[in-house]
Amino acid sequence: NAGVTQTPKFQVLKTGQSMTLQCAQDMNHEYMSWYRQDPGMGLRLIHYSVGAGITDQGEVPNGYNVSRSTTEDFPLRLLSAAPSQTSVYFCASSYSIPPNTIYFGEGSWLTVV
Amino acid sequence: DAKTTQPNSMESNEEEPVHLPCNHSTISGTDYIHWYRQLPSQGPEYVIHGLTSNVNNRMASLAIAEDRKSSTLILHRATLRDAAVYYCILRPFASGTYKYIFGTGTRLKVLA
Repeated sequence: NAGVTQTPKFQVLKTGQSMTLQCAQDMNHEYMSWYRQDPGMGLRLIHYSVGAGITDQGEVPNGYNVSRSTTEDFPLRLLSAAPSQTSVYFCASSYSIPPNTIYFGEGSWLTVV
Repeated sequence: DAKTTQPNSMESNEEEPVHLPCNHSTISGTDYIHWYRQLPSQGPEYVIHGLTSNVNNRMASLAIAEDRKSSTLILHRATLRDAAVYYCILRPFASGTYKYIFGTGTRLKVLA
């Protein structure tokens, strides 16, 4: 049972490049989400999904796109990377019924130069 | 969305109990109170949760105020490995509300 798997773990991008952070979970969780964490800061919600085909915006959605074509996968796309998107990104998943314990991936460290 | 308020940082001596407070004055009757912690360079991990009654597990205890507007995470004997950022969040029971807001949490420093 792998839990929540994120790839890549580390990535350096040039300003204006695009890329996709991959997230997969094998627990059949309905709910998945993406957070970013800037140095010394807490977690901020980017986008979330309550099931395949359903996504919604979180606190800081600008510059990011998501889609949920399957229950297992929830990729995060950076359309045109900016230095302000340098951060650590965490994917998370949970069941949609209480107590909704959240399981996090190990994080993806992204640097935009 | 219901919010939580936590102190930015706390210190504790090793082997002593630690009480981490959280205020959630706008909590609704169906919101679960969850605690997570984040060790350095790792993703957050689940610690404990509760609804109305106090809860214990192998990691910690959760004390919930009678009016549910505040809660306290209790680490009975802090160790150096408990040094982490602790997050208190509210998990709404009602379906359709899934914006789980973490905030900045409390950074716990454990002194040897």
